[in-house]
Amino acid sequence: DQQVKQNSPSLSVQEGRISILNCDYTNSMFDYFLWYKKYPAEGPTFLISISSIKDKNEDGRFTVFLNKSAKHLSLHIVPSQPGDSAVYFCAAKETSGSRLTFGEGTQLTVNP
Amino acid sequence: DSGVTQTPKHLITATGQRVTLRCSPRSGDLSVYWYQQSLDQGLQFLIQYYNGEERAKGNILERFSAQQFPDLHSELNLSSLELGDSALYFCASSVTETSGILGQANEQFFGPGTRLTVL
Repeated sequence: DQQVKQNSPSLSVQEGRISILNCDYTNSMFDYFLWYKKYPAEGPTFLISISSIKDKNEDGRFTVFLNKSAKHLSLHIVPSQPGDSAVYFCAAKETSGSRLTFGEGTQLTVNP
Repeated sequence: DSGVTQTPKHLITATGQRVTLRCSPRSGDLSVYWYQQSLDQGLQFLIQYYNGEERAKGNILERFSAQQFPDLHSELNLSSLELGDSALYFCASSVTETSGILGQANEQFFGPGTRLTVL
């Protein structure tokens, strides 16, 4: 039972354009959502997060949007840079616990 | 550099063997988590320790066990290894064991991982 799904295994965009990565979840108990970026041979690096009491959180070029009614969140990167090329994981946490439930990841490639 | 260290970086062993993976959390973090990432999969939560005590268990096999020591480092023990246990094993740490929806200290910081290959 995949509670967090990233339906696009890969995404390719041009440098300078916007990258939009999507994530859907099924568990209504999730109340906190995180995005991690992962380069090959490294561990995931925390990028940005959002609480369920908000619908948007922004940090520089990165913005996360949360639509609770649709159980959907997205990560916007603008402008995209070649250094953003990595695997992006969406993760979610329940109110009562600490464990993170991860999606399968989306490979983002930003072409110069 | 997240401040979380894991050793060894790579481990190659045979089926039926037993291995120990080690993790040192960030300075000041009391909570340690173990995750497994198999080929083309997301990270699967295995187990969490907080200040030496087990706090939560995921889909961890009975052949696997973990502990957190008084100095807060943690070890994941994998025994009777099978080919399917080949994966990346990540350790993560956080300040607290759980946090509210206001977001304080929810982030987990990951180590570089141990790549286990079972032949």
